[in-house]
Amino acid sequence: ELKVEQNPLFLSMQEGKNYTIYCNYSTTSDRLYWYRQDPGKSLESLFVLLSNGAVKQEGRLMASLDTKARLSTLHITAAVHDLSATYFCAVDMDNAGNMLTFGGGTRLMVKP
Amino acid sequence: ETGVTQSPTHLIKTRGQQVTLRCSSQSGHNTVSWYQQALGQGPQFIFQYYREEENGRGNFPPRFSGLQFPNYSSELNVNALELDDSALYLCASSFQPGGPYEQYFGPGTRLTVT
Repeated sequence: ELKVEQNPLFLSMQEGKNYTIYCNYSTTSDRLYWYRQDPGKSLESLFVLLSNGAVKQEGRLMASLDTKARLSTLHITAAVHDLSATYFCAVDMDNAGNMLTFGGGTRLMVKP
Repeated sequence: ETGVTQSPTHLIKTRGQQVTLRCSSQSGHNTVSWYQQALGQGPQFIFQYYREEENGRGNFPPRFSGLQFPNYSSELNVNALELDDSALYLCASSFQPGGPYEQYFGPGTRLTVT
């Protein structure tokens, strides 16, 4: 059974600081997704990582994938309050095609 | 191009009742997946439909069933509702299975079982 673990579960940080969220998964997969969810809202796609060594950046967020270590990271640079949300990583089960196993989420709070 | 839509937005049911949730996929997408998200947790995969057939299923009992129609819209049916079925139900559409194709999520239906 595929397991996806994120840490930390909760992250409170000051504006302007940097931090990294980690996503570990238990079986081989080279498809990993990052989503953002605001309270009471649906999931917004942030990144799709499809190969070992993939790195993608959008604004203050950068995601990377190491399939050998079964690890993805989401790095936050110079955090701003608008980044406050819950972030989920998800892995495609057996590369089956969008049948995702999600981590438990990291709730990020950026304080002004 | 229209996005993924779901109805209703909120629903309150009593334990033992049955419920039907609806999802319209994004234009051009023929694959619909359903997820259950309990409060404070990550979404859990229920099942996926492609060309009106169930294409994959997560660890959910048979009382969770679905349909996909020729226009690729989909329904999620839950029989014999239990209190633990209270959750946000999300549907997501993508171009086709096998991917990797980006998946777009709808706004969700919040189901409360009392």
